[in-house]
Amino acid sequence: DSGVTQTPKHLITATGQRVTLRCSPRSGDLSVYWYQQSLDQGLQFLIQYYNGEERAKGNILERFSAQQFPDLHSELNLSSLELGDSALYFCASSPGRGAFQYEQYFGPGTRLTVT
Amino acid sequence: QKEVEQDPGPLSVPEGAIVSLNCTYSNSAFQYFMWYRQYSRKGPELLMYTYSSGNKEDGRFTAQVDKSSKYISLFIRDSQPSDSATYLCAPREHGQNFVFGPGTRLSVLP
Repeated sequence: DSGVTQTPKHLITATGQRVTLRCSPRSGDLSVYWYQQSLDQGLQFLIQYYNGEERAKGNILERFSAQQFPDLHSELNLSSLELGDSALYFCASSPGRGAFQYEQYFGPGTRLTVT
Repeated sequence: QKEVEQDPGPLSVPEGAIVSLNCTYSNSAFQYFMWYRQYSRKGPELLMYTYSSGNKEDGRFTAQVDKSSKYISLFIRDSQPSDSATYLCAPREHGQNFVFGPGTRLSVLP
Protein backbone atom coordinates (compact mmCIF):
# COMPACT_ATOMS: atom_id res chain seq x y z
CA ASP A 1 0.00 0.00 0.00
CA SER A 2 1.59 3.26 -1.20
CA GLY A 3 -0.48 5.49 1.09
CA VAL A 4 -2.08 7.27 -1.87
CA THR A 5 -5.84 6.79 -2.11
CA GLN A 6 -8.08 7.31 -5.09
CA THR A 7 -11.84 7.27 -5.40
CA PRO A 8 -13.85 5.90 -7.00
CA LYS A 9 -12.19 2.65 -8.11
CA HIS A 10 -14.49 2.27 -11.07
CA LEU A 11 -16.65 4.72 -12.94
CA ILE A 12 -18.99 4.03 -15.83
CA THR A 13 -20.60 6.98 -17.54
CA ALA A 14 -22.00 8.08 -20.88
CA THR A 15 -20.49 10.26 -23.58
CA GLY A 16 -20.94 13.95 -22.99
CA GLN A 17 -21.04 13.61 -19.23
CA ARG A 18 -18.73 15.09 -16.60
CA VAL A 19 -16.96 13.19 -13.81
CA THR A 20 -14.66 14.03 -10.92
CA LEU A 21 -11.85 11.80 -9.74
CA ARG A 22 -10.43 12.28 -6.28
CA CYS A 23 -6.96 11.69 -4.87
CA SER A 24 -5.53 11.90 -1.37
CA PRO A 25 -1.73 12.00 -1.29
CA ARG A 26 0.54 10.27 1.20
CA SER A 27 0.76 11.99 4.54
CA GLY A 28 3.23 14.85 4.28
CA ASP A 29 3.50 14.87 0.49
CA LEU A 30 2.98 18.25 -1.12
CA SER A 31 3.03 17.31 -4.80
CA VAL A 32 0.28 15.52 -6.66
CA TYR A 33 0.49 14.23 -10.22
CA TRP A 34 -2.21 12.92 -12.54
CA TYR A 35 -1.61 10.36 -15.28
CA GLN A 36 -3.76 8.69 -17.90
CA GLN A 37 -3.09 5.14 -19.05
CA SER A 38 -5.12 3.72 -21.89
CA LEU A 39 -5.29 -0.02 -22.51
CA ASP A 40 -1.80 -1.39 -23.10
CA GLN A 41 -0.39 2.11 -23.36
CA GLY A 42 2.23 3.91 -21.33
CA LEU A 43 1.64 6.49 -18.65
CA GLN A 44 0.70 9.86 -20.06
CA PHE A 45 1.48 12.72 -17.69
CA LEU A 46 -1.42 15.14 -17.40
CA ILE A 47 -0.67 17.69 -14.71
CA GLN A 48 1.18 18.32 -11.43
CA TYR A 49 0.26 20.43 -8.43
CA TYR A 50 2.52 21.50 -5.61
CA ASN A 51 1.02 22.81 -2.38
CA GLY A 52 -2.09 24.05 -4.12
CA GLU A 53 -0.50 25.55 -7.20
CA GLU A 54 -0.11 24.17 -10.69
CA ARG A 55 3.56 23.19 -11.20
CA ALA A 56 3.74 21.40 -14.53
CA LYS A 57 1.42 20.58 -17.37
CA GLY A 58 1.60 17.66 -19.77
CA ASN A 59 -0.73 16.47 -22.49
CA ILE A 60 -3.90 17.49 -20.71
CA LEU A 61 -6.94 18.20 -22.87
CA GLU A 62 -8.83 21.46 -22.46
CA ARG A 63 -11.88 19.41 -21.42
CA PHE A 64 -9.91 18.24 -18.39
CA SER A 65 -9.03 20.32 -15.37
CA ALA A 66 -7.61 19.72 -11.95
CA GLN A 67 -7.06 21.43 -8.66
CA GLN A 68 -5.38 20.80 -5.33
CA PHE A 69 -7.14 21.92 -2.18
CA PRO A 70 -5.71 23.38 1.05
CA ASP A 71 -5.82 19.94 2.68
CA LEU A 72 -3.68 18.78 -0.29
CA HIS A 73 -6.17 16.38 -1.78
CA SER A 74 -6.67 16.80 -5.50
CA GLU A 75 -9.49 16.37 -7.95
CA LEU A 76 -9.36 15.75 -11.69
CA ASN A 77 -12.43 16.90 -13.59
CA LEU A 78 -13.20 15.38 -16.97
CA SER A 79 -16.00 16.93 -19.01
CA SER A 80 -17.73 16.36 -22.35
CA LEU A 81 -16.50 12.81 -22.13
CA GLU A 82 -15.71 10.85 -25.26
CA LEU A 83 -15.28 7.13 -25.82
CA GLY A 84 -11.54 7.69 -26.14
CA ASP A 85 -11.34 9.00 -22.58
CA SER A 86 -11.89 5.49 -21.28
CA ALA A 87 -8.70 4.67 -19.41
CA LEU A 88 -7.06 4.16 -16.06
CA TYR A 89 -6.36 7.42 -14.29
CA PHE A 90 -3.59 7.37 -11.74
CA CYS A 91 -2.70 9.86 -9.12
CA ALA A 92 0.79 9.94 -7.62
CA SER A 93 2.28 12.00 -4.83
CA SER A 94 5.80 12.97 -3.89
CA PRO A 95 7.30 14.85 -0.96
CA GLY A 96 7.99 17.91 -3.12
CA ARG A 97 10.93 18.92 -1.00
CA GLY A 98 14.08 17.41 0.42
CA ALA A 99 16.40 14.76 -0.96
CA PHE A 100 13.60 12.59 -2.34
CA GLN A 101 11.27 15.33 -3.43
CA TYR A 102 10.60 13.83 -6.84
CA GLU A 103 10.00 10.19 -5.88
CA GLN A 104 6.47 9.44 -6.92
CA TYR A 105 4.17 6.99 -5.16
CA PHE A 106 1.14 5.90 -7.11
CA GLY A 107 -2.40 5.26 -6.06
CA PRO A 108 -4.43 2.24 -7.19
CA GLY A 109 -6.10 4.19 -10.00
CA THR A 110 -9.62 4.92 -11.14
CA ARG A 111 -10.90 2.92 -14.08
CA LEU A 112 -13.13 5.11 -16.23
CA THR A 113 -15.37 3.57 -18.84
CA VAL A 114 -17.26 5.87 -21.18
CA THR A 115 -20.12 4.21 -23.06
CA GLN B 1 13.17 9.85 -31.34
CA LYS B 2 11.28 9.49 -28.08
CA GLU B 3 12.98 10.73 -24.95
CA VAL B 4 12.84 7.35 -23.22
CA GLU B 5 12.50 4.04 -25.06
CA GLN B 6 11.92 0.48 -23.94
CA ASP B 7 11.27 -2.70 -25.85
CA PRO B 8 7.55 -3.31 -25.18
CA GLY B 9 7.94 -7.08 -25.07
CA PRO B 10 6.42 -9.31 -23.99
CA LEU B 11 9.56 -10.94 -22.73
CA SER B 12 8.91 -14.53 -21.68
CA VAL B 13 11.41 -16.42 -19.55
CA PRO B 14 11.34 -19.65 -17.52
CA GLU B 15 11.26 -19.49 -13.74
CA GLY B 16 14.75 -19.13 -12.28
CA ALA B 17 16.20 -17.33 -15.29
CA ILE B 18 18.17 -14.10 -15.12
CA VAL B 19 16.19 -11.32 -16.72
CA SER B 20 17.65 -8.23 -18.33
CA LEU B 21 15.35 -5.28 -18.92
CA ASN B 22 16.71 -2.33 -20.83
CA CYS B 23 15.96 1.30 -21.40
CA THR B 24 17.60 3.92 -23.62
CA TYR B 25 17.24 7.67 -23.41
CA SER B 26 18.25 10.66 -25.45
CA ASN B 27 18.64 13.43 -22.85
CA SER B 28 22.23 13.56 -21.61
CA ALA B 29 21.11 15.74 -18.68
CA PHE B 30 19.32 12.82 -17.02
CA GLN B 31 21.05 12.06 -13.72
CA TYR B 32 18.52 10.17 -11.62
CA PHE B 33 17.01 6.88 -12.65
CA MET B 34 14.04 5.01 -11.27
CA TRP B 35 12.53 1.64 -12.00
CA TYR B 36 8.86 0.99 -11.37
CA ARG B 37 6.98 -2.29 -11.50
CA GLN B 38 3.36 -2.31 -12.57
CA TYR B 39 1.10 -5.31 -12.22
CA SER B 40 -1.82 -5.50 -14.62
CA ARG B 41 -4.36 -2.73 -13.93
CA LYS B 42 -2.58 -1.68 -10.75
CA GLY B 43 -0.66 1.46 -9.89
CA PRO B 44 3.10 1.43 -10.57
CA GLU B 45 5.23 0.74 -7.51
CA LEU B 46 8.69 2.12 -6.93
CA LEU B 47 11.30 -0.61 -7.24
CA MET B 48 14.74 0.97 -7.35
CA TYR B 49 16.40 4.36 -7.51
CA THR B 50 19.93 5.10 -8.72
CA TYR B 51 21.90 8.25 -9.18
CA SER B 52 24.38 8.82 -12.01
CA SER B 53 26.37 5.86 -13.34
CA GLY B 54 27.13 2.56 -11.73
CA ASN B 55 25.31 -0.36 -10.17
CA LYS B 56 22.90 -0.71 -7.30
CA GLU B 57 21.77 -4.00 -5.86
CA ASP B 58 18.67 -4.75 -3.80
CA GLY B 59 17.98 -8.40 -3.17
CA ARG B 60 17.37 -10.15 -6.49
CA PHE B 61 17.34 -6.84 -8.36
CA THR B 62 20.31 -4.93 -9.77
CA ALA B 63 20.03 -1.58 -11.52
CA GLN B 64 22.83 -0.52 -13.82
CA VAL B 65 23.34 2.89 -15.42
CA ASP B 66 25.72 3.66 -18.27
CA LYS B 67 25.46 7.38 -18.87
CA SER B 68 28.05 7.35 -21.64
CA SER B 69 25.78 5.08 -23.68
CA LYS B 70 22.54 6.54 -22.30
CA TYR B 71 21.54 3.02 -21.34
CA ILE B 72 19.83 1.72 -18.21
CA SER B 73 19.38 -1.89 -17.25
CA LEU B 74 17.46 -3.78 -14.59
CA PHE B 75 18.56 -7.36 -13.85
CA ILE B 76 16.38 -9.81 -11.99
CA ARG B 77 18.07 -12.93 -10.65
CA ASP B 78 16.23 -16.16 -9.93
CA SER B 79 13.09 -14.78 -11.56
CA GLN B 80 9.74 -15.85 -10.12
CA PRO B 81 6.24 -15.98 -11.62
CA SER B 82 5.38 -13.16 -9.21
CA ASP B 83 7.85 -10.97 -11.11
CA SER B 84 5.51 -11.06 -14.11
CA ALA B 85 4.61 -7.42 -14.63
CA THR B 86 5.42 -4.39 -16.72
CA TYR B 87 8.65 -2.63 -15.80
CA LEU B 88 8.92 1.11 -16.37
CA CYS B 89 12.14 3.05 -16.36
CA ALA B 90 11.93 6.71 -15.39
CA PRO B 91 14.92 9.03 -15.65
CA ARG B 92 15.02 12.68 -14.76
CA GLU B 93 17.36 15.62 -14.85
CA HIS B 94 18.18 17.82 -11.90
CA GLY B 95 15.22 19.92 -10.83
CA GLN B 96 12.76 18.26 -13.19
CA ASN B 97 10.12 15.57 -12.95
CA PHE B 98 10.70 11.98 -13.93
CA VAL B 99 9.94 10.98 -17.53
CA PHE B 100 8.36 7.53 -17.78
CA GLY B 101 9.26 5.06 -20.47
CA PRO B 102 6.51 2.99 -22.13
CA GLY B 103 7.46 -0.14 -20.17
CA THR B 104 8.50 -3.71 -20.94
CA ARG B 105 6.07 -6.52 -20.22
CA LEU B 106 7.72 -9.50 -18.52
CA SER B 107 6.22 -12.95 -18.20
CA VAL B 108 7.97 -15.53 -16.00
CA LEU B 109 6.69 -18.99 -16.76
CA PRO B 110 6.53 -21.62 -13.98
